[in-house]
Amino acid sequence: KNEVEQSPQNLTAQEGEFITINCSYSVGISALHWLQQHPGGGIVSLFMLSSGKKKHGRLIATINIQEKHSSLHITASHPRDSAVYICAAGGGADGLTFGKGTHLIIQP
Amino acid sequence: EPEVTQTPSHQVTQMGQEVILRCVPISNHLYFYWYRQILGQKVEFLVSFYNNEISEKSEIFDDQFSVERPDGSNFTLKIRSTKLEDSAMYFCASSEFRNQPQHFGDGTRLSIL
Repeated sequence: KNEVEQSPQNLTAQEGEFITINCSYSVGISALHWLQQHPGGGIVSLFMLSSGKKKHGRLIATINIQEKHSSLHITASHPRDSAVYICAAGGGADGLTFGKGTHLIIQP
Repeated sequence: EPEVTQTPSHQVTQMGQEVILRCVPISNHLYFYWYRQILGQKVEFLVSFYNNEISEKSEIFDDQFSVERPDGSNFTLKIRSTKLEDSAMYFCASSEFRNQPQHFGDGTRLSIL
């Protein structure tokens, strides 16, 4: 059974700061997902990656398969980035194993 | 952009009653999933569904749960005899193929009284 750990659990930063959220997992996987959950509860998929690095706007996700570790970075953070960011391992017909999430607050 | 839709957004049910949660996945997607999130806790996998049968289920998905694709568009989760601990947000998701990003619905908040 895969264990997914995220850090930090809570993060408060000032607008414009560079943000890093870390994720580690215990068992080899087919893919690592980064998701965003807003206060209303809805979940949005940000990235799915199995190697290397992906970039979308101000968001960058990296993964190191050998170390079973992934990071999500936000450049030039903005208050609208405030949300819960969730790392989830797995994919395909198998369900995802979720981390507990990182509660991010960006203050103006 | 196509999206996954879930109904109802909030369901309140008496303990012991049956409840059906409904989902309409994205039309060309082949893989379907149900997840739940108890308030304040992490999201948990319940079941995945492909080619009209269950692909995988978690230990949470016991005999009181069932899933069905009754027609070409709907995907339902039935809880046969609800318990207080079934109170949670239930998310439906779908993906086009294996190992593709999953698209989530907005969830159904289930409250058991």
